Amino acid sequence: KAGVTQTPRYLIKTRGQQVTLSCSPISGHRSVSWYQQTPGQGLQFLFEYFSETQRNKGNFPGRFSGRQFSNSRSEMNVSTLELGDSALYLCASGTQGTQYFGPGTRLLVL
Amino acid sequence: KQEVTQIPAALSVPEGENLVLNCSFTDSAIYNLQWFRQDPGKGLTSLLLIQSSQREQTSGRLNASLDKSSGRSTLYIAASQPGDSATYLCAVRPLDSNYQLIWGAGTKLIIKP
Repeated sequence: KAGVTQTPRYLIKTRGQQVTLSCSPISGHRSVSWYQQTPGQGLQFLFEYFSETQRNKGNFPGRFSGRQFSNSRSEMNVSTLELGDSALYLCASGTQGTQYFGPGTRLLVL
Repeated sequence: KQEVTQIPAALSVPEGENLVLNCSFTDSAIYNLQWFRQDPGKGLTSLLLIQSSQREQTSGRLNASLDKSSGRSTLYIAASQPGDSATYLCAVRPLDSNYQLIWGAGTKLIIKP
């Protein structure tokens, strides 16, 4: 089976712009979670989707949003980008209590 | 509120040594605990998953233990190799979550040839 894929792998944006990141889970997985990883804060949970519904949400501002499609692919959107949004964004798909992570999208906000 | 701590933050050992990485958590109400490996600039690779009812899991040269009552887990790496150099993270899944994981800050491991 193919693993979790994330696109794009690298992204450079400027403050105030918006960005959309994409995640394709492992075939058959219905849960997709998103995490932000920064040197200062480590890994932090953003949100989790299951069967197109947001099931869990971390403590991030409303600028961070996501959605999941009927084929379980998920997108994450960040509006009005700030310098502090520069991070590695990781997506994971899950089944039976185990999560499998994609390679991440590295976002740099200038 | 669940908190996960990993000590030490960094560790450098000569090749061939056996070593132990530590992970502690404040709330024993967990579903499972996972150890991950992260290479620089890369995603996460799951190494071992221990369910709350289990005491340990083994995979090759890796052995992870779980003592839920004391809120501790250890990752034992036998006969370390330079290729083991990476950051090792532990994460717990609280009982009241679905797939949300609470993460430690990681231990950066360097194996010197």
